[in-house]
Amino acid sequence: GESVGLHLPTLSVQEGDNSIINCAYSNSASDYFIWYKQESGKGPQFIIDIRSNMDKRQGQRVTVLLNKTVKHLSLQIAATQPGDSAVYFCAEKHGSGNTGKLIFGQGTTLQVKP
Amino acid sequence: DVKVTQSSRYLVKRTGEKVFLECVQDMDHENMFWYRQDPGLGLRLIYFSYDVKMKEKGDIPEGYSVSREKKERFSLILESASTNQTSMYLCASSLRWEQYFGPGTRLTVT
Repeated sequence: GESVGLHLPTLSVQEGDNSIINCAYSNSASDYFIWYKQESGKGPQFIIDIRSNMDKRQGQRVTVLLNKTVKHLSLQIAATQPGDSAVYFCAEKHGSGNTGKLIFGQGTTLQVKP
Repeated sequence: DVKVTQSSRYLVKRTGEKVFLECVQDMDHENMFWYRQDPGLGLRLIYFSYDVKMKEKGDIPEGYSVSREKKERFSLILESASTNQTSMYLCASSLRWEQYFGPGTRLTVT
């Protein structure tokens, strides 16, 4: 399953399929990006990050792709599991040094069908 | 592991009350943040702090104030709670850019 566009609030996928969650960011000067996962009733949890000098980074079952040309970020989840059901946020860092604020996207709800 | 704790998971207050939301982190992080999260609006930054006794306004500071007397503790204060401040409040801390979040406080103002 795949979400497209600036903001697709819900993505529904079958268990075992790959998921792709997309995010368009606003500031071409942003140099750092994070994906967060927020389960119901909990605070956001860090999943993976990427700096602007990279275009791909892999973690455990997750891959983040960065396309600076079109200011687009995506999170790919391999072999999606029921425990992946959550809201996923992208965030971009504004500002220099260690004091940059994070600007969060609206979030995409991932629903995994058994 | 970084741990960010918030004083309450759920809180119900009356209009006009003064409300304190406490946040503590145990990783000696310089930076601390307060957000509110509302359906359809995402996470919005209320206030942040880069050092003890230092604070800066975020995107929606009206109706809120903060206090950072110790490095590990960052308090959000609603001087006179109003019903439009009913929300989920999230605290976060960071050493550099990656922010670690607490579990959130769901505040209801009646």
